[in-house]
Amino acid sequence: AQSVTQLDSQVPVFEEAPVELRCNYSSSVSVYLFWYVQYPNQGLQLLLKYLSGSTLVKGINGFEAEFNKSQTSFHLRKPSVHISDTAEYFCAVTVYNFNKFYFGSGTKLNVKP
Amino acid sequence: GAVVSQHPSWVICKSGTSVKIECRSLDFQATTMFWYRQFPKQSLMLMATSNEGSKATYEQGVEKDKFLINHASLTLSTLTVTSAHPEDSSFYICSALGGGGEKLFFGSGTQLSVL
Repeated sequence: AQSVTQLDSQVPVFEEAPVELRCNYSSSVSVYLFWYVQYPNQGLQLLLKYLSGSTLVKGINGFEAEFNKSQTSFHLRKPSVHISDTAEYFCAVTVYNFNKFYFGSGTKLNVKP
Repeated sequence: GAVVSQHPSWVICKSGTSVKIECRSLDFQATTMFWYRQFPKQSLMLMATSNEGSKATYEQGVEKDKFLINHASLTLSTLTVTSAHPEDSSFYICSALGGGGEKLFFGSGTQLSVL
């Protein structure tokens, strides 16, 4: 089975500062990794995904993530955050046949002016 | 882009009644849909995987007789919470697998409150 750990439940950061949201996974087989964002009172929206190829993945809204197989991590980064990035971010993992998606507990990013 | 519609967005019901939640893929065919439950300050918990035309696969600990899932067509899956009780109150989210199996699109969720 697979599992996902997001160690930081909340991350406060000032506007225009860089941010990193951490995600570690556990799996005995190869995985695909995703980051989703949930804005208040809205559903989940895909930010980016890693399926294969380059380990550095760029997504929407200036976010990027790097897949590190040796450290079983898929941390999300943004060099300069905006107030509008305030939301909850979920890391997710699935395997080759996409038959199940497992999510981390989420990280609330709070961008302050 | 692909959109998944989930209805209703919120519902209040009396204890002992049943509630049906619909999840529709609006512009793509979803052979697989997932149902999640999200508790306050917790992650999404996968409840079941729904495949069109076959019985849903439930995660361990999820009562299949209580949470009835029907995936009768490639664009519609329903979750019925039968004989709801206050402890069933939660935020339920559906998702549909599209884009050749590489994209997971989410509904906006349903907040269920059982009195």
